Amino acid sequence: NAGVMQNPRHLVRRRGQEARLRCSPMKGHSHVYWYRQLPEEGLKFMVYLQKENIIDESGMPKERFSAEFPKEGPSILRIQQVVRGDSAAYFCASSRGLIANTGELFFGEGSRLTVL
Amino acid sequence: QQQVKQSPQSLIVQKGGISIINCAYENTAFDYFPWYQQFPGKGPALLIAIRPDVSEKKEGRFTISFNKSAKQFSLHIMDSQPGDSATYFCAASMDAGGTSYGKLTFGQGTILTVHP
Repeated sequence: NAGVMQNPRHLVRRRGQEARLRCSPMKGHSHVYWYRQLPEEGLKFMVYLQKENIIDESGMPKERFSAEFPKEGPSILRIQQVVRGDSAAYFCASSRGLIANTGELFFGEGSRLTVL
Repeated sequence: QQQVKQSPQSLIVQKGGISIINCAYENTAFDYFPWYQQFPGKGPALLIAIRPDVSEKKEGRFTISFNKSAKQFSLHIMDSQPGDSATYFCAASMDAGGTSYGKLTFGQGTILTVHP
């Protein structure tokens, strides 16, 4: 059973370009979370999605960032007009259902964005 | 009030010694406290978790101690091994707004080095 798959693993963008990060949850998982990890810091929650629905986006910056989890295909985190401060590791996590019932959130290996 | 404060920032232990990492939280609504282990270039992986109805939970060499009145919890790694060298994150969450514990608030992380 493959784990949470994220791609690309590394992405380099110039200021003003767009970055698209993809996440395929574990098989059978319908809950997806995105977290951001700045250098030498802990992970910060960004958004929680279920299929075709954004459940909680309280951690998302108000501008330039968006996320989706379509009925078919991976979840996508999109960053428009990237700035140097967006350089970070972006982690996707998935769960089968609500954590209270299943007990575990599985993380991918992350996508590391570098903005030049 | 949403913060989780973790200490120490880094820790060096000799093989066979005990590693102790501490976390403190403010939000009394938190009721799920996991610890994650992260190796360089990898995503965090759940190590052990506790809920506030118990004061201690042990799994193999890893033990969580929880002090609800002090709003503190700690990770003890007994008989520390070089393979335990990694970054450890404490986290906390609650069942609120439909995110049901998947919206984690992470500590800043502790870099553990176990010397052979």
